[in-house]
Order: sequence, then structure tokens, then C-alpha cells
Amino acid sequence: EAEVAQSPRYKITEKSQAVAFWCDPISGHATLYWYRQILGQGPELLVQFQDESVVDDSQLPKDRFSAERLKGVDSTLKIQPAELGDSAMYLCASSLGPRGETQYFGPGTRLLVL
Amino acid sequence: SQQGEEDPQALSIQEGENATMNCSYKTSINNLQWYRQNSGRGLVHLILIRSNEREKHSGRLRVTLDTSKKSSSLLITASRAADTASYFCATDAADSWGKLQFGAGTQVVVTP
Repeated sequence: EAEVAQSPRYKITEKSQAVAFWCDPISGHATLYWYRQILGQGPELLVQFQDESVVDDSQLPKDRFSAERLKGVDSTLKIQPAELGDSAMYLCASSLGPRGETQYFGPGTRLLVL
Repeated sequence: SQQGEEDPQALSIQEGENATMNCSYKTSINNLQWYRQNSGRGLVHLILIRSNEREKHSGRLRVTLDTSKKSSSLLITASRAADTASYFCATDAADSWGKLQFGAGTQVVVTP
């Protein structure tokens, strides 16, 4: 069964450093999502792509976070500089299309900022 | 901000018992989805119920949706220790473009 791939699975960094997360969605899925999940809470959408275009980044802290999906396939989420409050699980999900479709999640990247 | 709220926050039951958790939301939706998350792992999709549906079944899972009350319930029958996880409801709001809004989840512990 096809799965969403994410790497790394774990990342420890010091504040003010740059970090990057990678996601490879299920083949053929046009829509890709990045979520952040703080311990004890549900995931919160950071950015949504339709193919290579951003359709929603209203919750993305744009002063330090950036995301790209250059060829409309895999995607990278970057934080620069990282802050203590960025410690969380970063989840990538994909779906066939943007509306009314099941979203399939990857295993996540757990980030710890020291 | 989180649209959905799950109730209860935590649930402890024994194997063989049924587990019921509820989700309330605030705005009109296209669909509502339930996910399971084992500790430290990604989310696994369980069921998607559309706004024009009232009930859906999948194996030991039964989901209901009452759009007039803006609420949904997830029932797990004959629970097993492997059902121990956090369960989240997520709403796809009618005015969004597939953006899911999650509640804080219900932590379910099933003891043998």
C-alpha cells in the first residue's frame, strides 16, 4: 500500500539554527498538506499545496517558515531560525484532490529545539 | 484555533467493552473525518462521513453525524488492547478548500 514518506523522523537542533523537513506524497496525489501538532493537541494546518501552488498558508509564520513544492511532487518545509516554541511534530499529508477527499498522513518528524 | 471538540478527553475501558466518543463543531461542513494516532506516530484515517450522510460503518467502527446539532460520534465495539490510541475528529468546513480542522482528541486506553 502506498504511503506518505517523511524524513527525518527525529530532529534535535539548537535555537537560531535552520531545519528542513522533507515529504514525498502518495504518487498521483495533487494536494499536499503540512500540519504542526503540539503535544496534547490536534494537528493544525500550516500550508496546503495544490500541485505546485500554495492555496492556503494563512497559519504559516512567514517570518521564519517557508515551504515549497517546486515540481508539484515532493515538498520541503523549512524553519529559519528555529525557536524553542517550534518544538512539535510536523506532519505531512496528501490527498487526490482538495475537496472532500481522504487525507493520508506520513509518520511525521518530531522536532526538539534546545 | 480548533473547530472540533472531542468529549471525553480521556476514556479507560476493558477489552470487549464498547467505547464512544463525541465531537462537536461550529460551522457548516463538507465532511467530517475520524483519525487514530498511536503514541508518537502519524495519523491513520478511519472513516469519512459526508454532510448528507447520517451513519457509516467500517468493521467495528460506527460513526454518526447530526448536522442539525453539529455533532458526530464514533463508536468502537468489542474493543481490543490494540485500539489504545488517541482519536481525533476533523472537519472539512464548507467554505474551505479541503483544509481540515482537528479537535484536541480523545485518549482511549483499553486494558486487557
